[in-house]
Amino acid sequence: DPKIIQKPKYLVAVTGSEKILICEQYLGHNAMYWYRQSAKKPLEFMFSYSYQKLMDNQTASSRFQPQSSKKNHLDLQITALKPDDSATYFCASSQDNREYAEQFFGPGTRLTVL
Amino acid sequence: SQWGEENLQALSIQEGEDVTMNCSYKTYTTVVHWYRQDSGRGPALIILIRSNEREKRSGRLRATLDTSSQSSSLSITAAQCEDTAVYFCATDEDSGGSNYKLTFGKGTLLTVTP
Repeated sequence: DPKIIQKPKYLVAVTGSEKILICEQYLGHNAMYWYRQSAKKPLEFMFSYSYQKLMDNQTASSRFQPQSSKKNHLDLQITALKPDDSATYFCASSQDNREYAEQFFGPGTRLTVL
Repeated sequence: SQWGEENLQALSIQEGEDVTMNCSYKTYTTVVHWYRQDSGRGPALIILIRSNEREKRSGRLRATLDTSSQSSSLSITAAQCEDTAVYFCATDEDSGGSNYKLTFGKGTLLTVTP
């Protein structure tokens, strides 16, 4: 059974629209993260949450808003979508947000903005 | 960037050969994570090496970490076709208040042919 679920797997959106990327983890972890991977850049950290509290935000744009309704959920809302937002977005989790913690990654949501 | 500015590298070898992939990083770290990413999937941790270990083995994998030269390597012995993947090195970075994030290198695309 998949331990980290991301929905949808593929997403096509038009410029200016808004989308929500879903992430649920069933590992019992306390920390969750979002990363982005595009053709132009390596895997890039976006956000980290610990016990449903935002710990770090490395995303310059406020168009990206994480939402944690439950301890094992960390969704990502993206507003006013731009073609440059096209990328694969990975959710990850770890037992805690500490040094040496192993982060487990979900399968990703591939977003294409037209 | 935490990592050297090399582009995504590509290596192609035949089954049974040994291969070594290298990463160099710019700032101090006490741990290097090595991840592999299969096509269409999220990254998966394959080996984690701490600064006091210098070398770590896991099956056919061997990682080294040289903090004096700020470099790490991952070797695969007797590569098999199923080792075909992109391999990333990553470091833990404390973004303040002991909040850690992974910073990834650009990766090496390893192709193992029969």
